Amino acid sequence: DAKTTQPNSMESNEEEPVHLPCNHSTISGTDYIHWYRQLPSQGPEYVIHGLTSNVNNRMASLAIAEDRKSSTLILHRATLRDAAVYYCILRDFYTGTASKLTFGTGTRLQVTL
Amino acid sequence: DADVTQTPRNRITKTGKRIMLECSQTKGHDRMYWYRQDPGLGLRLIYYSFDVKDINKGEISDGYSVSRQAQAKFSLSLESAIPNQTALYFCATSDRTEDGNTIYFGEGSWLTVV
Repeated sequence: DAKTTQPNSMESNEEEPVHLPCNHSTISGTDYIHWYRQLPSQGPEYVIHGLTSNVNNRMASLAIAEDRKSSTLILHRATLRDAAVYYCILRDFYTGTASKLTFGTGTRLQVTL
Repeated sequence: DADVTQTPRNRITKTGKRIMLECSQTKGHDRMYWYRQDPGLGLRLIYYSFDVKDINKGEISDGYSVSRQAQAKFSLSLESAIPNQTALYFCATSDRTEDGNTIYFGEGSWLTVV
């Protein structure tokens, strides 16, 4: 199963952009790249997902490498409320096999004033 | 109101007792999941169900059982609870027709086995 690798932790100053990297060198052609985040004492929440092209939504942007072996979640202006653990995961669309969904330990983002 | 509701939100139980965690959803999704979260280990899949008649084991199903009573309800049981089952449990749902199969999580159920 394709897995992802993320740094354990990152720090950012408030109001600055944050780039959270993720490596997924064994990604398959039918794997979507998903990002979730988990705020303290809450369940994970969906942030963004993409397949090949870069994606933007109200929460973040997702930049996907041309060979799809890595991606970067971009928070354009970090706020204190963005402090969370961010998970990069691969989700096979066609088989929908939940067992392939591996959250790992994610990246803990600290945001300081 | 939350789209994915878990009950109870917190429970302390004794070793050897049977405990059930319940999950209900109002999203109309066909797929439901139970995950467990331990500090430093991320989330691990316990069981998942793609429809009412479909139940599948996940990564760590030993010691757990599930029941899909209806499309909207998926319960997790610990037949004989043990202390290493102390964890934060999440129910989640997804829709097979939705682009990318986004997963929606409940707020979690803290279970302590003493």
